[in-house]
Amino acid sequence: AQSVTQLGSHVSVSEGALVLLRCNYSSSVPPYLFWYVQYPNQGLQLLLKYTSAATLVKGINGFEAEFKKSETSFHLTKPSAHMSDAAEYFCAVSVNTGGFKTIFGAGTRLFVKA
Amino acid sequence: EAGVAQSPRYKIIEKRQSVAFWCNPISGHATLYWYQQILGQGPKLLIQFQNNGVVDDSQLPKDRFSAERLKGVDSTLKIQPAKLEDSAVYLCASSYRGGGGTDTQYFGPGTRLTVL
Repeated sequence: AQSVTQLGSHVSVSEGALVLLRCNYSSSVPPYLFWYVQYPNQGLQLLLKYTSAATLVKGINGFEAEFKKSETSFHLTKPSAHMSDAAEYFCAVSVNTGGFKTIFGAGTRLFVKA
Repeated sequence: EAGVAQSPRYKIIEKRQSVAFWCNPISGHATLYWYQQILGQGPKLLIQFQNNGVVDDSQLPKDRFSAERLKGVDSTLKIQPAKLEDSAVYLCASSYRGGGGTDTQYFGPGTRLTVL
């Protein structure tokens, strides 16, 4: 069965520092992978998605993620954190098991210090 | 383009009472999802519709939860009777195509349910 593990429920960085949010997945078939962001009192918004084309995926707001099959990882990075990046980030996997189902990770809350 | 609309935004009820949530997806979106997000956890799919048919309801507690999507547009999710553990945010999402693996899901703001 497919699953998603996000390492670290909370990550704190200084403004201007590198952001690295970790995601590992488990799937017996080729997965599609997503990162969503959730701001307080709002629904989730897509940041980027991997659809088996390029392994390095660029998303909105300067975020990118790299699909590494050998490591079963899809970590999210941003070179320089901004205060507005403070939010909760969810990694998700979608696989075809007789119909596509999306499984979300538990989320990582990002804090950005001034 | 209008986003996914949900109402109410907040609801407080006592256990054993009933509650209903409403969702209006983005116009033209074939697939509609209801998720339950418990504090500190990621969203968990409760039910997925394609047009007005159910694609997946394997994690819906059918003894107390029900959902319908009339005419393939709006949807309602009902809980009857509610339990304390139903306290969560209920998210509605929609996607354009038939729930394919690469579909982007567009989420509404959610309904925060508190069961006392």
